[in-house]
Amino acid sequence: SAVISQKPSRDICQRGTSLTIQCQVDSQVTMMFWYRQQPGQSLTLIATANQGSEATYESGFVIDKFPISRPNLTFSTLTVSNMSPEDSSIYLCSIEAGGRRNEQFFGPGTRLTVL
Amino acid sequence: GQQVMQIPQYQHVQEGEDFTTYCNSSTTLSNIQWYKQRPGGHPVFLIQLVKSGEVKKQKRLTFQFGEAKKNSSLHITATQTTDVGTYFCGVRGGYQKVTFGTGTKLQVIP
Repeated sequence: SAVISQKPSRDICQRGTSLTIQCQVDSQVTMMFWYRQQPGQSLTLIATANQGSEATYESGFVIDKFPISRPNLTFSTLTVSNMSPEDSSIYLCSIEAGGRRNEQFFGPGTRLTVL
Repeated sequence: GQQVMQIPQYQHVQEGEDFTTYCNSSTTLSNIQWYKQRPGGHPVFLIQLVKSGEVKKQKRLTFQFGEAKKNSSLHITATQTTDVGTYFCGVRGGYQKVTFGTGTKLQVIP
């Protein structure tokens, strides 16, 4: 199993500002994933963060809006830039644990409210 | 990416009743995963199925992967209040990416 922590756990922000979310894993992993979960909705993958290379963004998500850093194998940040109320969501980081189960572990999430 | 639809979107059951959620795809799936998200919590992996017609059980939970690998189901026998949450199916694709279904929110009435 893996232990993933995220900071902050929640925040209330004003529109037009930016928030950086941190994700820390207790083991070294190659890939880290950032998901968004809008209220009452499913999870949507924003991007994959690989250490030592640019993040890979999914359709509909761009680096200018969601810049990602991956300075080492246990840590990543996601910034939500120039926020609007539509960015109000839960943001979750995740990893895939090794082994045959292909199990994804999720962090506790960051609940963001944009006013 | 592969898209999967889940039905129903919501389900209210009396405690002790059974519950089933279905995950459907128009294309053949290489695998199907199931996750549970408790209210206010994060998704927790339950199981992965990869073989056609595969059936796996975890206590009161039974998971099935269709013969054509285009659908899957999660069945809970004799629901308990601890089963409350949203159940998501997901498909693991290339580069470990998981595409999630729309989810089924289960409410258990004591």
